[in-house]
Amino acid sequence: EAGVAQSPRYKIIEKRQSVAFWCNPISGHATLYWYQQILGQGPKLLIQFQNNGVVDDSQLPKDRFSAERLKGVDSTLKIQPAKLEDSAVYLCASSLGTMSTSYEQYFGPGTRLTVT
Amino acid sequence: AQRVTQPEKLLSVFKGAPVELKCNYSYSGSPELFWYVQYSRQRLQLLLRHISRESIKGFTADLNKGETSFHLKKPFAQEEDSAMYYCALSRNSGYALNFGKGTSLLVTP
Repeated sequence: EAGVAQSPRYKIIEKRQSVAFWCNPISGHATLYWYQQILGQGPKLLIQFQNNGVVDDSQLPKDRFSAERLKGVDSTLKIQPAKLEDSAVYLCASSLGTMSTSYEQYFGPGTRLTVT
Repeated sequence: AQRVTQPEKLLSVFKGAPVELKCNYSYSGSPELFWYVQYSRQRLQLLLRHISRESIKGFTADLNKGETSFHLKKPFAQEEDSAMYYCALSRNSGYALNFGKGTSLLVTP
């Protein structure tokens, strides 16, 4: 099966600019996650969707970050305006659902964002 | 609050030597624990999870609730095991993962 797709793979912007990342999960996966991975750290959850509803966005900086998952498939993560500390790899992951045997998360290749 | 601690940033061992990557966690309930691995130029992928009690690529990990640890072990390291290893915790099936900072394992010939 095709894996999780993300684009772009790399992005360089200046601070105060806006940027958007796109994620296409594995077909049929109901749950979608966005993680932020700063250099030297493990991934940190930004937002989790179940179909097109938000399950957890407690760690999303809502003053500048937004995410949507229209129609419960693809998702877009936006940053506006970007700050230097937003430089990181943004990972998208998906899983089948919440049943105990189907919750393995499959990760995309990530988008590396550099804010200058 | 959930917390995952991987005390070693880098672990270097010789091929054929035993390897143990440490992971300690703090969580008030009964979490689910995982090890994820990222090989060079590849995606982050699941290595093993405590509920399945599997041995994957010769790696095992035992959940010790008394010591709140989930150390990853392999009796004989191979060069292809060189990678970044992340311990992760989830409060329940389907919930997001809380990752440690990772340990870079280098296996030298």
